[in-house]
Amino acid sequence: NAGVTQTPKFQVLKTGQSMTLQCAQDMNHEYMSWYRQDPGMGLRLIHYSVGAGITDQGEVPNGYNVSRSTTEDFPLRLLSAAPSQTSVYFCASGGAGESNTGELFFGEGSRLTVL
Amino acid sequence: LAKTTQPISMDSYEGQEVNITCSHNNIATNDYITWYQQFPSQGPRFIIQGYKTKVTNEVASLFIPADRKSSTLSLPRVSLSDTAVYYCLVGESDYKLSFGAGTTVTVRA
Repeated sequence: NAGVTQTPKFQVLKTGQSMTLQCAQDMNHEYMSWYRQDPGMGLRLIHYSVGAGITDQGEVPNGYNVSRSTTEDFPLRLLSAAPSQTSVYFCASGGAGESNTGELFFGEGSRLTVL
Repeated sequence: LAKTTQPISMDSYEGQEVNITCSHNNIATNDYITWYQQFPSQGPRFIIQGYKTKVTNEVASLFIPADRKSSTLSLPRVSLSDTAVYYCLVGESDYKLSFGAGTTVTVRA
C-alpha cells in the first residue's frame, strides 16, 4: 500500500524561485493537509482541504498556495521561496464524516532548503 | 483551536511504564483526544484516540477523566525503540488539528 506519497524528498532552492511539493494519497481520503516542521519544533498547519475543490488556511499560510482538483492530489506551491521557508514539509490525509478527527496518515516528508 | 500543554521531555528506562499527561482545558464537547508518535526523519504516526474514560490498544492506554480537561498516555514496559516525540492533539470538528511541541521521551538501557 502506497498510503501518502510526497515528492521530492529533498530540494534546494534559491531565494525567489518557485516550486511545487507534490502529495498524493491512494486511500480515497477526503481530508488532506500540509504541515511544516522546523528543527526542534512541532508541526504547524499550513493549509488543509476537506474535499476536492475546497481548501482553507491553517496557522501559517503566508507564502504558500494550494489547490485540490482531485481527491488524490494536494500540491503545495511556493511562489517565491524565502530562507524562512526552509523546513521539513509533511502531507497528511484522513477520513471525514461522522468521526470528526479520525486517524491522520502522514507522508515521509519533504526537506526543503532555501538559500 | 483547542490548545494543549504537555511536558517538554521525559526520561525513562527500559521495562518501565511511561505516563505522559496532556492538559486541554478548553476542550470542546465534540472534540476527541488523539496521540501521535514521531521518530526522527519520519512523519507522525497515530497511536491512540479517545473521547472519555479509558481506551486501550496493543500499543498504549489512554486515560481521560470525567471533566476531559486532561488526558494521560500510558506506554507499558517501554523499550529503546519507544524513544520518540509524542504529541497530544485535541480534534476540531473541521480537522484543523494542531500539533504542539510534543514530549520527547528518551528511553535508556
